[in-house]
Amino acid sequence: EIVLTQSPGTLSLSPGERATLSCWASQSVSSSYLAWYLQKPGQAPRLLLYGASSRATGIPDRFSGSGSGTDFTLTISSLEPEDFAVYYCQQYGSSPYTFGQGTKLEIK
Amino acid sequence: QVQLQESDPGLVKPSETLSLTCTVSGGSVSSGSYFWSWIRQPPGKGLEWIGYAFHSGSTNYNPSLKSRVTISLDTSKNQFSLKLSSVTAADTAVYYCARGYWYFDLWGRGTLITVSS
Repeated sequence: EIVLTQSPGTLSLSPGERATLSCWASQSVSSSYLAWYLQKPGQAPRLLLYGASSRATGIPDRFSGSGSGTDFTLTISSLEPEDFAVYYCQQYGSSPYTFGQGTKLEIK
Repeated sequence: QVQLQESDPGLVKPSETLSLTCTVSGGSVSSGSYFWSWIRQPPGKGLEWIGYAFHSGSTNYNPSLKSRVTISLDTSKNQFSLKLSSVTAADTAVYYCARGYWYFDLWGRGTLITVSS
């Protein structure tokens, strides 16, 4: 089973700032089969990116992803108030599909 | 637009079987492109993939739950279901149904299942 570790656990930033979230895998994720989700309190997660860097339908271009192998990054270029939430990475390169423990992005 | 809605059994007693249904509206579970999955989230914790079913009848389960899980499709009702047997307090969680291609592009709102006597 591939274990995903997200860093940092909590990130405190202000609107307008740039956010960089990391996701490390315990073994290589094949074909960059990595997705990112955003979850707000009391809501289901929402898909942001898949294939490490492809934006899902309706996701604004301030969200971008990069990485391959065991090291992946989600970047939010300029934070909007609605971006403050918990972010999860998920690998789907090998079963069982696993999620990271999450990064909480909070307003500074 | 496609929407997913979980049933809401609420409380399940220890050692019993948890049964959930996800109703698909605006789309079809018979669609050849999608896997139909269940994912859970214990209160205050992260996400755990439980398994999926495909319209062909194939299934794939998380090994950590495989001995207790059954996921199936009911094309006549346009639903898919989850059965988790021999539940304990550790199975208390919000259960989500989701559609996807191994990643999950559409989720239900989730239903909180509490295991308690």
